[in-house]
Amino acid sequence: DAKTTQPPSMDCAEGRAANLPCNHSTISGNEYVYWYRQIHSQGPQYIIHGLKNNETNEMASLIITEDRKSSTLILPHATLRDTAVYYCIVRVSGNTPLVFGKGTRLSVIA
Amino acid sequence: GAVVSQHPSRVICKSGTSVKIECRSLDFQATTMFWYRQFPKQSLMLMATSNEGSKATYEQGVEKDKFLINHASLTLSTLTVTSAHPEDSSFYICSATTPGPTYNSPLHFGNGTRLTVT
Repeated sequence: DAKTTQPPSMDCAEGRAANLPCNHSTISGNEYVYWYRQIHSQGPQYIIHGLKNNETNEMASLIITEDRKSSTLILPHATLRDTAVYYCIVRVSGNTPLVFGKGTRLSVIA
Repeated sequence: GAVVSQHPSRVICKSGTSVKIECRSLDFQATTMFWYRQFPKQSLMLMATSNEGSKATYEQGVEKDKFLINHASLTLSTLTVTSAHPEDSSFYICSATTPGPTYNSPLHFGNGTRLTVT
């Protein structure tokens, strides 16, 4: 079972920042927080991941609370192409699979 | 960046026939690949773990004789849906871990195969 809780859906205006929350209150010390997104009828796309420090790449920023029980994915300037289902997943180290929850359906509106 | 290629992207077959889906890691070696299935409006469900040179490990409720997995090389895993039935119609997706420090290497996914059994 997925160890994360996300809101089922969110809307965001085009050009604004999209902030997607995720709760993972039972996360273990060796589990990383991963974010993926899935655009309709495509495979999931890797976005970003982190352990305890905040992370930023060309796609997004990941903010992890100090107690690691929650995190927020930030898309700084959302575009229509960012409309997708976003999955927050915790995963132990090593060659292990991802266990998907239901994710958040983000709709970017013009 | 690392790329996982899946083929075919779509396939339609008749009930009772078998279908093979290929998953390739294009620019890296993948000792382990994972196969998922996704029904409409649902999330991805892990079916099995494919290990190069050894038998696959199946999740509970997935029939190993129906979903045959072969991982004969470090860049190719195949999933064969045998004696397909309409209820096997689904979106099948493979994934593999990219090389690097294995403690936190992300999984990358293929673009999926839409199987329709008539």
